[in-house]
Amino acid sequence: DTAVSQTPKYLVTQMGNDKSIKCEQNLGHDTMYWYKQDSKKFLKIMFSYNNKELIINETVPNRFSPKSPDKAHLNLHINSLELGDSAVYFCASSQGLGRGAGANVLTFGAGSRLTVL
Amino acid sequence: AQKVTQAQTEISVVEKEDVTLDCVYETRDTTYYLFWYKQPPSGELVFLIRRNSFDEQNEISGRYSWNFQKSTSSFNFTITASQVVDSAVYFCALSDQGGSEKLVFGKGTKLTVNP
Repeated sequence: DTAVSQTPKYLVTQMGNDKSIKCEQNLGHDTMYWYKQDSKKFLKIMFSYNNKELIINETVPNRFSPKSPDKAHLNLHINSLELGDSAVYFCASSQGLGRGAGANVLTFGAGSRLTVL
Repeated sequence: AQKVTQAQTEISVVEKEDVTLDCVYETRDTTYYLFWYKQPPSGELVFLIRRNSFDEQNEISGRYSWNFQKSTSSFNFTITASQVVDSAVYFCALSDQGGSEKLVFGKGTKLTVNP
């Protein structure tokens, strides 16, 4: 039973299109994240939600809109895709937020590779 | 500001060699956490270890060991008797309260273990 699952695993699309990536976790965690890994393997946080509330938004273009319908789901919608959006997007979850929450271990999904042509 | 530096971009060794992956971090907080993650060629990110800033004891887990030294702000990772299956990109990461507790990654070290 996959702990953090993302769909789709691969996504190839044209510039200007809109696409979504879905993420679900069955660990009972309170906090979910989106990370972007670029072609040089650099991993950078994009967003974090705790119990459906946005807590981290790392100066990501507003073409990217995360949505958390409940604490087990965090979806990422991207409008007007650009070539530079090509990357692997990782969803992750962790136990909670609050004092000492930095100690929480992130469990990552398998990643969604987005290619914009 | 938080920063994690992994100066070794790529390392190549022959099986059974020992190899050390370096990690140097910067933080202004006294309470922080350090992590190592492994990303094998299949692409998933696998948690290896978490260490808090108050625990400087070295840790050993099988062929893996970690050396945490606050005096040099380093958290190095050693693989003893490396195996081909150890080939992966290894990431060091830092989480502190000044950074809203988000996990900041180094750029990773790609380790190739040749038979």
